[in-house]
Amino acid sequence: DTGVSQDPRHKITKRGQNVTFRCDPISEHNRLYWYRQTLGQGPEFLTYFQNEAQLEKSRLLSDRFSAERPKGSFSTLEIQRTEQGDSAMYLCASSSASGRVPYEQYFGPGTRLTVT
Amino acid sequence: KQEVTQIPAALSVPEGENLVLNCSFTDSAIYNLQWFRQDPGKGLTSLLLIQSSQREQTSGRLNASLDKSSGRSTLYIAASQPGDSATYLCAAYPNLNSGGYQKVTFGIGTKLQVIP
Repeated sequence: DTGVSQDPRHKITKRGQNVTFRCDPISEHNRLYWYRQTLGQGPEFLTYFQNEAQLEKSRLLSDRFSAERPKGSFSTLEIQRTEQGDSAMYLCASSSASGRVPYEQYFGPGTRLTVT
Repeated sequence: KQEVTQIPAALSVPEGENLVLNCSFTDSAIYNLQWFRQDPGKGLTSLLLIQSSQREQTSGRLNASLDKSSGRSTLYIAASQPGDSATYLCAAYPNLNSGGYQKVTFGIGTKLQVIP
């Protein structure tokens, strides 16, 4: 069990560019979550996958955001035409209904996005 | 909709002092309550998770308690050290019957500074 990994850890981009982040969950976890955390705030839910199906999206996820989880393994989060307001920490978490504590979410180290 | 509040927003204490961080939540029908630590610019480190059937959890100098009926949780840190300086976040998991795919609701955190 190597934990949840995210790549890249830091991304600096210019306004208007597209960016893509990757999350690799714990291998046996079928549930995957994306959260966004802006400065001075707690993380806020963005979207949820169960296996490859995206089952819930927050209203925070505008049409410039898209997330995928092909084959129910890793997930990607893409932001098109980035805006300065997209600057935040993007956190990925995974969980399973089985395990020591059912549904406990394990968080990755996050991807810090800075839009200049 | 679940709301999580953490008081105080910031706390500064001298080294060696015992301290209590507070977390309150509006919907008492939670599944789990989890405390995290976050260092500046970093991801979340899980400290303690209290399942709904439990009243408290302990790890080293940390003790977390949960009172679902009053909608409150506390994190007690004994003999604080400068290395404890960080932001502490609490997070509430919804009840399994809520239909919300277990997305976690976070507070905005308490920023702790332990002065040598």
